[in-house]
Amino acid sequence: EVQLVESGGGLVQPGRSLRLSCAASGFTFDDYAMHWVRQAPGKGLEWVSGISWNSGSIGYADSVKGRFTISRDNAKNSLYLQMNSLRAEDTALYYCAKGENEVVVAATQLWGQGTLVTVSS
Amino acid sequence: EIVLTQSPGTLSLSPGERATLSCRASQSVSSSYLAWYQQKPGQAPRLLIYGASSRATGIPDRFSGSGSGTDFTLTISRLEPEDFAVYYCQQYGSSHTFGQGTKLEIK
Repeated sequence: EVQLVESGGGLVQPGRSLRLSCAASGFTFDDYAMHWVRQAPGKGLEWVSGISWNSGSIGYADSVKGRFTISRDNAKNSLYLQMNSLRAEDTALYYCAKGENEVVVAATQLWGQGTLVTVSS
Repeated sequence: EIVLTQSPGTLSLSPGERATLSCRASQSVSSSYLAWYQQKPGQAPRLLIYGASSRATGIPDRFSGSGSGTDFTLTISRLEPEDFAVYYCQQYGSSHTFGQGTKLEIK
C-alpha cells in the first residue's frame, strides 16, 4: 500500500525554525518528484515547494522563497521541509504529496494526511 | 504567477443532476498542465483529472475534464451523494498554483 506519513509539526514562535519530515512507503521513492502543499485553517490549498526525483530541479512558492528549503534522502525514502523565519501566516496543515512522475512539472498524485504547524507567540 | 479563478464559489445541486465547474487562468496554461482535485471535510485532496482531460487511476467515468489555454471545465455527469465536496483546479505548467475552490453542496 502506498503511504505518506508526515511528522514534525507543532507550535512554534514567530521567527523560529521547524523541520518537517515525510516517510514514504509502498512505491519506488526515487522514481517520483515530491511536493509540499499547505492549507491554512478553513482556507484553500497552496503549493509550497517541489523537488524532482534526483533533487536536480527544485521550486518554491514566492511566499516561502528564501525561508524554506526542501530536500530528500532517497536512501531513506524521506522528504523534508526546513522552515526558517516562521511567520503567523505560515500556520497551516502541511501535506506531503507524491508527483505523477519524476519531474516537478506534473500533478500531485497521492497525498499524506498532513502535519499541523502553528506559528504563534 | 498564473492566477486561477474558479466559478461558481458554491454550486447547489441534487443527486442525479449534472455539475459544471469552471477554472479560468490569468494567462495560458502551457501544454494543458491543468489538474482537478476533490477534497472532503477532514480528508486530504484526491487527484481526479490531470493534463486537463485525463482521469486519474480509479476515478469514475462520470468525471470528465476539458479545455485548453485559459478556460477549463470539470463536469460530473450525474451526481452521486459522495461527490458533494470542494473541488480545486491546479496549474503546474508555470510553477504551481491552485484556484480558490468550488464547494459543491446538496440542494
